[in-house]
Amino acid sequence: GAVVSQHPSRVICKSGTSVKIECRSLDFQATTMFWYRQFPKQSLMLMATSNEGSKATYEQGVEKDKFLINHASLTLSTLTVTSAHPEDSSFYICSAIPLQRGRSNTGELFFGEGSRLTVL
Amino acid sequence: QQQVKQSPQSLIVQKGGIPIINCAYENTAFDYFPWYQQFPGKGPALLIAIRPDVSEKKEGRFTISFNKSAKQFSLHIMDSQPGDSATYFCAAGRGGNKLTFGTGTQLKVEL
Repeated sequence: GAVVSQHPSRVICKSGTSVKIECRSLDFQATTMFWYRQFPKQSLMLMATSNEGSKATYEQGVEKDKFLINHASLTLSTLTVTSAHPEDSSFYICSAIPLQRGRSNTGELFFGEGSRLTVL
Repeated sequence: QQQVKQSPQSLIVQKGGIPIINCAYENTAFDYFPWYQQFPGKGPALLIAIRPDVSEKKEGRFTISFNKSAKQFSLHIMDSQPGDSATYFCAAGRGGNKLTFGTGTQLKVEL
């Protein structure tokens, strides 16, 4: 099956610092990746859609200057939480749709293992 | 119109039982309905998915039933095991676009 890798899996940082989370599709290419945020015992909240080679599309209420997304290649998207504060502490999960050559995306979405961010 | 309503919020069954989780959607443009399984501290894993051209899909012990006219779909887990204890999310989407997730169901399978 398709594998999506996230790094780091856990990160603790001081308030005011920036943290970068990487999302890689290991055995497939993806023109589109998604970033979600999940609070304990809650559902996944879509933050933004990351498109290779273009600007990310942010959901309403998500600060684009706070959560910087870069999708520089067909296998890598990064999320940078800038000037992190304790309220940014959460579980961040990326996902990707495998690109089928010559066909439109299948719609199947594969998730990374998530990154637990704790801001002190 | 983008909501996906999921129930129950939590569910406890005995080993061997058949837990059923239900979801309802509003947007008739949705054409892809997956179920995800998530263990604590892990990302969601795709379990099974269905498209609206079929009413049922079975993969191993997992079955999706789909009712297009009612805009509802459900997950059945046959012969449930303690290892199936997890949070299950239904979702709905259109083509290769972003998914809308249900609120999740915490399943516990007891011995």
